[in-house]
Parts: sequence; C-alpha cells; structure tokens
Amino acid sequence: DSGVTQTPKHLITATGQRVTLRCSPRSGDLSVYWYQQSLDQGLQFLIQYYNGEERAKGNILERFSAQQFPDLHSELNLSSLELGDSALYFCASSVEWTGGGEQFFGPGTRLTVL
Amino acid sequence: AQKVTQAQTEISVVEKEDVTLDCVYETRDTTYYLFWYKQPPSGELVFLIRRNSFDEQNEISGRYSWNFQKSTSSFNFTITASQVVDSAVYFCALTYAGNNRKLIWGLGTSLAVNP
Repeated sequence: DSGVTQTPKHLITATGQRVTLRCSPRSGDLSVYWYQQSLDQGLQFLIQYYNGEERAKGNILERFSAQQFPDLHSELNLSSLELGDSALYFCASSVEWTGGGEQFFGPGTRLTVL
Repeated sequence: AQKVTQAQTEISVVEKEDVTLDCVYETRDTTYYLFWYKQPPSGELVFLIRRNSFDEQNEISGRYSWNFQKSTSSFNFTITASQVVDSAVYFCALTYAGNNRKLIWGLGTSLAVNP
C-alpha cells in the first residue's frame, strides 16, 4: 500500500458526461501528479500540483481540469467525455516538486466511457 | 527532447530462467533520474528502483539487478531465476532536474513467466 488513495476505483459513464476523480496523497506529501494510461498512448503525464498551485502541465486536454485543495487532496475533472477518454487514471504524490525522488502511485481509477 | 524506449513489447520465459528488460533513454540534461516500475495484473504501479545520472553503480536487490550505462544511454533490468509472480508489465521512466518532476514513460514490457 503506497498510502495514496484514489476514488472511485471504477467509473462507467456515457459520452458527453462529466466526472470527477479524487486523490488523497500520502501524509506529508505536498505534490500531486495525474497520469493517464491508455492502450494506444501508454502512460502520459497530465498535470502536477504543489501545495495548491499548478506546477506543470503535460498532455492534458482542455476538457480536463484539476485542482488541489487546502487539505492537499486533488480532483481531476473530465468533461464532455468521449470514447477515447476511457483509460486508467493514476494519481501520484511526492514530498517535493523538484528533484528526482520517487513518486508514490495510487491504485488508479478505471474510467469507461460508453 | 526526453524519450524512453523499451523495444521489447512482450517477453515470455519459463520459470527459473533469467530475463533482461531493456531500456534506452534520450535526454539533453546532465542531471536526470531513471526509474523502473512494475505493474502487476491488479493494475497498481509499484516502484522498484531510482537511479540518478551521477551514479553509474549497478545495483542488486535480491533477484533483481540493474545495469546503468551512460555511454549507451541504457538502464537495463535483469530478473534472475524468474518466478511466476514476476509476471507483470515493467515500465522504465525518466525525469530530469527542472522545475517539475513529471515522469516520461516507456511503453512497457509485458513479462510472462510460465510455470
């Protein structure tokens, strides 16, 4: 158990809908990362927050947004869902936002868009 | 540009065989970090090892060993005497010293260890 929690574990929804994925980092970790794992693109970095502030953006679609709250949990919002958004979404956390320390991953949320 | 290549898409071995998973990376940074993660069938990502660019010492942890060679930009992973529980997808990843620590991933190598 990495100490990172993600809810829900599975999510099934329809095209055009909006969903929210939730992540709670390890105790003491200030940085949160979101990654998407899909069959065609592999693991892709989406976005990073550190202590409530956005620090880096990757291949995140405009239909997607995220935030980190004062209690350090983070939410990833996906809207106007398309079939291609079906993927496993991982949250990771780390103590710092620079350097090469390891990132601890949550169990992931599997999103299926029908 | 930063890139990680895992040329082996799938590997199948028989239990107790040794197996090496290849990882080749590209980066222009002089300070960078390399990782291996394991993703078992249950889906979670499990950290295995981190290596920074200034430390080329090979590492051994039980049946696992890693060979880091800057001259060939490779960070290969060997499992000795493989076991069925080693069956998983293994990812090599790269990050660099900058103002963020996003991981850049290889496409993974799916390892099947058969009894």
